[in-house]
Amino acid sequence: EVQLVESGGALVQPGGSLRLSCAASGFTFRSYWMTWVRQAPGKGLEWVANIKPDASEEYYVDSVKGRFSISRDNAKYSLYLQMNSLRAEDTAVYYCARYYDAGGPDDAFDIWGQGTMVTVSS
Amino acid sequence: IQLTQSPSSLSASVGDRVTITCRASQGISSYLAWYQQKPGKAPKLLIYGAIILQSGVPSRFSGSGSGTDFTLTISSLQPEDFATYYCQQVYSYPLTFGGGTKVEI
Repeated sequence: EVQLVESGGALVQPGGSLRLSCAASGFTFRSYWMTWVRQAPGKGLEWVANIKPDASEEYYVDSVKGRFSISRDNAKYSLYLQMNSLRAEDTAVYYCARYYDAGGPDDAFDIWGQGTMVTVSS
Repeated sequence: IQLTQSPSSLSASVGDRVTITCRASQGISSYLAWYQQKPGKAPKLLIYGAIILQSGVPSRFSGSGSGTDFTLTISSLQPEDFATYYCQQVYSYPLTFGGGTKVEI
């Protein structure tokens, strides 16, 4: 079964750091782009970051550039999101997803995890 | 690229035909996907490439459009279709989602 399972969400103080993990199974992890998407409470979806299969390219939404870092360990079938200098506005459910990237219009986030909650508050 | 969905919410009955629109602030060819999200659950991919139905998605869902104007249609609304729907452009970074359309009873 194709599956993504996030972990690492927690309550953290403003200015703090947190590392999210996403464990993949059921597909050849090293062949796919991966992504993080977040959803603030009661709000819509916001794309956060993407990483290429060989980790040679990364992309971020402007609001997290310089604070968040996406990485992956293909041997461990794992995706990560290192979040530093956290702010109240980073409070959200964070989803990892598989990004089917064929380099054309068929690209989409086809497999999603269940999400992990990050709360930034004092 | 900004995506504007309309309406932001709608009320419908089982069996109704429902249409949701998504307008892009610039042309994105067919680089558009649609997702369904139920409360407390992860989004689910419905349509990609503007018109291609994801495997396992019922045929009552369909997508159309290209360029800047896109439509998601549910031909006959079923009880399990009450959810929030999002469009997403994958044409250029930053990837963006529409604001969502909540389909209510």
